Amino acid sequence: DAGVIQSPRHEVTEMGQEVTLRCKPISGHDYLFWYRQTMMRGLELLIYFNNNVPIDDSGMPEDRFSAKMPNASFSTLKIQPSEPRDSAVYFCASTERGQGAGELFFGEGSRLTVL
Amino acid sequence: GNSVTQMEGPVTLSEEAFLTINCTYTATGYPSLFWYVQYPGEGLQLLLKATKADDKGSNKGFEATYRKETTSFHLEKGSVQVSDSAVYFCALEDRGSTLGRLYFGRGTQLTVWP
Repeated sequence: DAGVIQSPRHEVTEMGQEVTLRCKPISGHDYLFWYRQTMMRGLELLIYFNNNVPIDDSGMPEDRFSAKMPNASFSTLKIQPSEPRDSAVYFCASTERGQGAGELFFGEGSRLTVL
Repeated sequence: GNSVTQMEGPVTLSEEAFLTINCTYTATGYPSLFWYVQYPGEGLQLLLKATKADDKGSNKGFEATYRKETTSFHLEKGSVQVSDSAVYFCALEDRGSTLGRLYFGRGTQLTVWP
């Protein structure tokens, strides 16, 4: 079975540009999470969805960040405009209620560098 | 609130050495506890878990015991291999909150030399 698929794997952009990260969760999973990983702050939960509905976006750092989940098989995280401090690895993860406690399935991440 | 504190790295060991990575937690409710592992260039993957006090999670030679009295979940392995080199994350899930909503520690980098 395919795991969580993220794209792009690497993105280098200039400050002020729009960045869109994409995620395809595991089929049948009804929870989707976006995490950000930096050396300074470790892993931070940005937002999560249940059945395509955003449940908690309190981790989204600023209004420059937005996330959508138009259907059960696709989610995007958008940064507009991007800033150098947004440089990080962004992970998408999914799970389902029938799965064991706390077992998230992570994608390989999107490494973002903002110059 | 909920939080996880794990020992700072990096940890460097020779092959076949004994490994301990300390993890303590603070939780508002009765959490489930986890260790995740991240190999270079990959996403995190679940290594082991324990859902109630005194439970021992184990996988691939790694073990951790849920100690409610000391609020700890230390990761151990009796004999590490070069292939165990990775970053290890301790995490908790508060059962009163959303399924899969995990609180992670900062991660501990482990390097094993042959």
